[in-house]
Amino acid sequence: DQQVKQNSPSLSVQEGRISILNCDYTNSMFDYFLWYKKYPAEGPTFLISISSIKDKNEDGRFTVFLNKSAKHLSLHIVPSQPGDSAVYFCAASGEIQGAQKLVFGQGTRLTINP
Amino acid sequence: DTGVSQDPRHKITKRGQNVTFRCDPISEHNRLYWYRQTLGQGPEFLTYFQNEAQLEKSRLLSDRFSAERPKGSFSTLEIQRTEQGDSAMYLCASSLGPYNEQFFGPGTRLTVL
Repeated sequence: DQQVKQNSPSLSVQEGRISILNCDYTNSMFDYFLWYKKYPAEGPTFLISISSIKDKNEDGRFTVFLNKSAKHLSLHIVPSQPGDSAVYFCAASGEIQGAQKLVFGQGTRLTINP
Repeated sequence: DTGVSQDPRHKITKRGQNVTFRCDPISEHNRLYWYRQTLGQGPEFLTYFQNEAQLEKSRLLSDRFSAERPKGSFSTLEIQRTEQGDSAMYLCASSLGPYNEQFFGPGTRLTVL
């Protein structure tokens, strides 16, 4: 039962263009969403988050959009830079059975081409 | 360095042996989480602590797994009688509270031969 899905295992984008990473979720009880970036041999690094009371949150080159009716969120990176090449995970959290654990998607490998 | 630290970074063991991993969270964080990540998947929740209390355990955490957080500071994750299916990256994270981002350590990569 994959409650958080990232349907694109990989994405290739030219440097300077916009990267759009997508994530879908099934559980309507999720109310807090996060994006993490992961380099090989390192733990995930927090990028940006959004709560369900908002539909957009920006932090520099990173913007997260949340569409609650579609149970969909996306991460926009603009302009994309070579250092953005990594695996990106979306994660969701909420008052599910009293826990605050994160439920992660499978990840999308982003490659930025010079 | 004030981030989350984990030790060891790599562990190779033979099937049937016991292993123990340690996690030191960010000092002011009262919540500590353990996750497991296998190749091609995102991290999967194992268990979490609020201070020294273990508040939830995933069904992934079989009887061979035990976690502790004495005094609400560092935590240990022990796997008894390891199996090849236990091979994975074990990640620790900590946070200030439930709606604060979780900060992850570098992980311990376990290989069971």
